[in-house]
Amino acid sequence: DAKTTQPNSMESNEEEPVHLPCNHSTISGTDYIHWYRQLPSQGPEYVIHGLTSNVNNRMASLAIAEDRKSSTLILHRATLRDAAVYYCILRSGNQFYFGTGTSLTVIP
Amino acid sequence: GAVVSQHPSRVICKSGTSVKIECRSLDFQATTMFWYRQFPKQSLMLMATSNEGSKATYEQGVEKDKFLINHASLTLSTLTVTSAHPEDSSFYICSARATGGSGNTIYFGEGSWLTVV
Repeated sequence: DAKTTQPNSMESNEEEPVHLPCNHSTISGTDYIHWYRQLPSQGPEYVIHGLTSNVNNRMASLAIAEDRKSSTLILHRATLRDAAVYYCILRSGNQFYFGTGTSLTVIP
Repeated sequence: GAVVSQHPSRVICKSGTSVKIECRSLDFQATTMFWYRQFPKQSLMLMATSNEGSKATYEQGVEKDKFLINHASLTLSTLTVTSAHPEDSSFYICSARATGGSGNTIYFGEGSWLTVV
């Protein structure tokens, strides 16, 4: 399984940008980088995904390093509703294998 | 986006009984669905991959006779926990792969809390 490494926890002030890093040094050429987030007692929610180029959607931006060995999820203005565990996942074939994720705390 | 629904959201059963959890893709067909288990304050652990019309593929260490998976149609997969014990109490989450587009995004259900007493 391609593995990812994320900080266990991060804090951000409300309405400030948040940069959530992810290392995936063993990524293969065909692995997509996916980000999901999970609120307590809920299933994971899709955030964004990409392959090589940076990606933007209404929820976040994904910045992918040129060598693809790391990526950063960017929340442009954190809100209290963004407090969740964020998972960076490499899609290997059909399956998604989850790492430990980053627990984001948003401070009002 | 695509919607995946699970039922029941919460269930309590007695030790030794069996309980079934359903996972439905509401607005798309899913040839492949996935079942995860999550213990409190831990990450999701993939249990098995459910393939429509064929046998499920189980991850190493997951007992196939205890966690029965049936994927009878393109919109429904079921997980049956047989002879449940208190240590089976957990949050069970299913997901389904929506084909098409880049990356084949996977969508998750809301999860089902199982408590075995």
